[in-house]
Amino acid sequence: SQQGEEDPQALSIQEGENATMNCSYKTSINNLQWYRQNSGRGLVHLILIRSNEREKHSGRLRVTLDTSKKSSSLLITASRAADTASYFCATVGNYGQNFVFGPGTRLSVLP
Amino acid sequence: DAEITQSPRHKITETGRQVTLACHQTWNHNNMFWYRQDLGHGLRLIHYSYGVHDTNKGEVSDGYSVSRSNTEDLPLTLESAASSQTSVYFCASSDRRTYEQFFGPGTRLTVL
Repeated sequence: SQQGEEDPQALSIQEGENATMNCSYKTSINNLQWYRQNSGRGLVHLILIRSNEREKHSGRLRVTLDTSKKSSSLLITASRAADTASYFCATVGNYGQNFVFGPGTRLSVLP
Repeated sequence: DAEITQSPRHKITETGRQVTLACHQTWNHNNMFWYRQDLGHGLRLIHYSYGVHDTNKGEVSDGYSVSRSNTEDLPLTLESAASSQTSVYFCASSDRRTYEQFFGPGTRLTVL
């Protein structure tokens, strides 16, 4: 069964709004990562948060991690049309193994 | 600049044929991975390697094989292609310290 599950499966917002995507997982992890995929392209790493961290920022991205609930959220602030893409969370097991991706959230940012 | 490349980018083959997809990285990463991506399933891990001569099965390894004879390359072989293996295949590599994965552009494989 999949380790990471993103929610929602699809999200449509207006430019300038914030977008929030959630990821739940089942077993203990070393770290959790978020990736972005533009249509027809490979995935690009966005941000990594370790199991002992609760929040991390990178530009317009904010990631939180709640290990007690086994969940993470990715917030994109002031979204732009160029943020339109699929976003995936991936979990890494305690010994660096079991790199597992969720099915992704498809984000559409309308101009 | 370091990069990870895949070839071919598109491949059409027939059921029963052997197919090999190439992956080459110049990051000097120890870890390399093969995934397939299908609608509704996200990315599923096929095989992975943590170094030369090391290979491991992933979630969906049946019908696939890999070998690692050097650091740069991890070719993926479909022994006898099946229509269920029609998919987009991604190769990735990572440094064993950071875990961040770098992805290739993908190979779209169609098995008729």
